[in-house]
Amino acid sequence: GENVEQHPSTLSVQEGDSAVIKCTYSDSASNYFPWYKQELGKRPQLIIDIRSNVGEKKDQRIAVTLNKTAKHFSLHITETQPEDSAVYFCAAMNNAGNMLTFGGGTRLMVKP
Amino acid sequence: EPEVTQTPSHQVTQMGQEVILRCVPISNHLYFYWYRQILGQKVEFLVSFYNNEISEKSEIFDDQFSVERPDGSNFTLKIRSTKLEDSAMYFCASSRGQGANQPQHFGDGTRLSIL
Repeated sequence: GENVEQHPSTLSVQEGDSAVIKCTYSDSASNYFPWYKQELGKRPQLIIDIRSNVGEKKDQRIAVTLNKTAKHFSLHITETQPEDSAVYFCAAMNNAGNMLTFGGGTRLMVKP
Repeated sequence: EPEVTQTPSHQVTQMGQEVILRCVPISNHLYFYWYRQILGQKVEFLVSFYNNEISEKSEIFDDQFSVERPDGSNFTLKIRSTKLEDSAMYFCASSRGQGANQPQHFGDGTRLSIL
């Protein structure tokens, strides 16, 4: 089955700096890669996603890149703010489109 | 914005008892999912459900678990003979369709504590 690895497990940045979180996946048939933000005790919230036919997608301060050949994808947050502090999970969807496999999560701390 | 709702928010149960976790998916969604998250760990897929049938399940989803859509709005997860290791946050999710154009939306979760 699919295996998704995520790094780093914790990331501390100063407010205004950029943050980058990286994920690799094992199943070359995976075709959809969402990123979720989870604040303490709350639901995972979808913040951005990318499909396998696209190399990059941007939404304001958030961008995601995908390298299908290398089977890795990354989340980039620019101009970080304290409210960006949360746990971020990457995920990969199986070819059947009915299962998400999550990475281990990255705890992002943005220091004011 | 419509949301997935889950009840109860916290369930405490004695080991060996049965529990039923309830979810109301977003109204025009047709695909339903259960995930769990053990404290401090990653979110793990349990099962997906469409057209009153399980379409995919993980190794975690063994005979102890079952899912049901008893009426037009609820989607339930039943756990029989609960064990200590079943303690986790259980998330329900739903999507309008299946695949890359159909993001899954999560509920707030039910925290299950087995004593």
